[in-house]
Amino acid sequence: KAGVTQTPRYLIKTRGQQVTLSCSPISGHRSVSWYQQTPGQGLQFLFEYFSETQRNKGNFPGRFSGRQFSNSRSEMNVSTLELGDSALYLCASSLESGGNTGELFFGEGSRLTVL
Amino acid sequence: AQSVTQLGSHVSVSEGALVLLRCNYSSSVPPYLFWYVQYPNQGLQLLLKYTSAATLVKGINGFEAEFKKSETSFHLTKPSAHMSDAAEYFCAASFGNEKLTFGTGTRLTIIP
Repeated sequence: KAGVTQTPRYLIKTRGQQVTLSCSPISGHRSVSWYQQTPGQGLQFLFEYFSETQRNKGNFPGRFSGRQFSNSRSEMNVSTLELGDSALYLCASSLESGGNTGELFFGEGSRLTVL
Repeated sequence: AQSVTQLGSHVSVSEGALVLLRCNYSSSVPPYLFWYVQYPNQGLQLLLKYTSAATLVKGINGFEAEFKKSETSFHLTKPSAHMSDAAEYFCAASFGNEKLTFGTGTRLTIIP
């Protein structure tokens, strides 16, 4: 069974640009969550999608957005990039929505560097 | 407010020694608790989880954790550290039906 796949793995952008990251969950998983990981802030929750609907949203500005498609694949977009957006962006999938139903399965992440 | 706190951002132990990574939570509702491990340049992997069954939970790679309600703790232990245990460890909790909340992580270094 294939794991969670994130693309691209590494990317470099400049300030003001926008970026789109993609996540393919494990087959059969309907929930996709996104996290931002930085050395200073640790893991910060961005948002969760379940059956194409945003279920939960973290405390990030509107420049961060996401969506989920009917096949459960998800994308997140960051517009007007800032230096502080440099981070590892992790996608995680699970069978159901909500953290109490079981484990999250993480991808290897997309490492974004903003110059 | 509900939260997860990991004591010690860096822990070093000698190979063969006991590993103890601390995690405390604050919550008004019974939590579900998890430990995840992250190896360099990889995503997070579940080590073990507590979901209100046995208070002593055994996970992969010889790790275990004990849920202590009176101390609001869920510390992770391993009797004998191995070089391959070097990684970052995250405690996480779900309160009610909310999203998973992660602690700030503990980087474990194994001294040969």
